[in-house]
Amino acid sequence: NAGVTQTPKFQVLKTGQSMTLQCAQDMNHNSMYWYRQDPGMGLRLIYYSASEGTTDKGEVPNGYNVSRLNKREFSLRLESAAPSQTSVYFCASSEMPISGNTIYFGEGSWLTVV
Amino acid sequence: GNSVTQMEGPVTLSEEAFLTINCTYTATGYPSLFWYVQYPGEGLQLLLKATKADDKGSNKGFEATYRKETTSFHLEKGSVQVSDSAVYFCALSESTSGTYKYIFGTGTRLKVLA
Repeated sequence: NAGVTQTPKFQVLKTGQSMTLQCAQDMNHNSMYWYRQDPGMGLRLIYYSASEGTTDKGEVPNGYNVSRLNKREFSLRLESAAPSQTSVYFCASSEMPISGNTIYFGEGSWLTVV
Repeated sequence: GNSVTQMEGPVTLSEEAFLTINCTYTATGYPSLFWYVQYPGEGLQLLLKATKADDKGSNKGFEATYRKETTSFHLEKGSVQVSDSAVYFCALSESTSGTYKYIFGTGTRLKVLA
């Protein structure tokens, strides 16, 4: 069972470069999320997509854009990378918005911006 | 807004010791509560959850009880093993305009020594 798959796992970017993190889930989930994890900060929500065709900003959206390509795929784009975006990025998915539904995570993408 | 506060780590214990990781939350409604575990180099995995007051979630010897009166969801295990060394995240799910989002604490690192 693949679950949530995200690529690439590791990436080094130069300041000002752009890149897209890809995410796909095979659990037929409606909702998908992008989080970043920084030391001492826990997980912070960047963007989420409650259902196919919708996207909304989370806690820290600045510097990012997202695309919900279809029900399975949700990509995160950095248009002009900055050192402050060095982080570990997690894609996640969950079923329809019902209290108690579990959120499932990918294995993470380690991004370094130099 | 809603929030989750958990004790800072690292928590260092000897094998077979008793574990408690404190978690308290702030919420206006009746959220569901979760504990997730993250092993080195991996994504977060659900450990246990509780969806209403007085519910007890349990898994792999870990337990946590949803205490509405004290707004707490403390994680406990009677006898820890070296393999329990990981980072533990407390989380809640909340409803915002019909969409459930997940809020995570900052994580508590547990080190278990043989």
